[in-house]
Amino acid sequence: GAGVSQSPRYKVAKRGQDVALRCDPISGHVSLFWYQQALGQGPEFLTYFQNEAQLDKSGLPSDRFFAERPEGSVSTLKIQRTQQEDSAVYLCASRLTYSGANVLTFGAGSRLTVL
Amino acid sequence: TQLLEQSPQFLSIQEGENLTVYCNSSSVFSSLQWYRQEPGEGPVLLVTVVTGGEVKKLKRLTFQFGDARKDSSLHITAAQPGDTGLYLCAAPSTNAGKSTFGDGTTLTVKP
Repeated sequence: GAGVSQSPRYKVAKRGQDVALRCDPISGHVSLFWYQQALGQGPEFLTYFQNEAQLDKSGLPSDRFFAERPEGSVSTLKIQRTQQEDSAVYLCASRLTYSGANVLTFGAGSRLTVL
Repeated sequence: TQLLEQSPQFLSIQEGENLTVYCNSSSVFSSLQWYRQEPGEGPVLLVTVVTGGEVKKLKRLTFQFGDARKDSSLHITAAQPGDTGLYLCAAPSTNAGKSTFGDGTTLTVKP
């Protein structure tokens, strides 16, 4: 597609529910990133894929967070047993190659609210 | 850890005024990037500065990279309401990994 597409755009979950957030990167982009953005703050790194390989998951805040990209294109971020502190915007970004010099293109994000 | 400190955190000005926002760190960077994020959207890359002392202009926006490559500034001339948004600086990865972002400056330009 022309840009990075994320769904759902908005998700309200009750505490304890599991949620799944989807990212469709730009076609052919090798690298895919997930970031978490709290209100009024900058994006915080969660995890990074190069094709289907998850090369860095150092930013995942707990073992309740899990991400996958099984075929090297679409990625899903899953949060189990959601807590109120998980409320944030989850941004997905893709990059054409592995090189940091290439442009990072972000999606519009998925806003998660945990009640 | 590459900590990027941005200031001011919030800035509210009238249309037509000039402004400067800052991005500072104790670390040396190979490059720095500036993004703008509008409400309900993801960040969009504005510019990448690479060389110490470099100045880049994008219409009414002027970006400067410090001589020591530890800091950067963004100056907007004659601000317009369309400039409203969150301005983020970021240190891109030196290899294949993540970019690290500051907490941004929220700019509001009132008509």
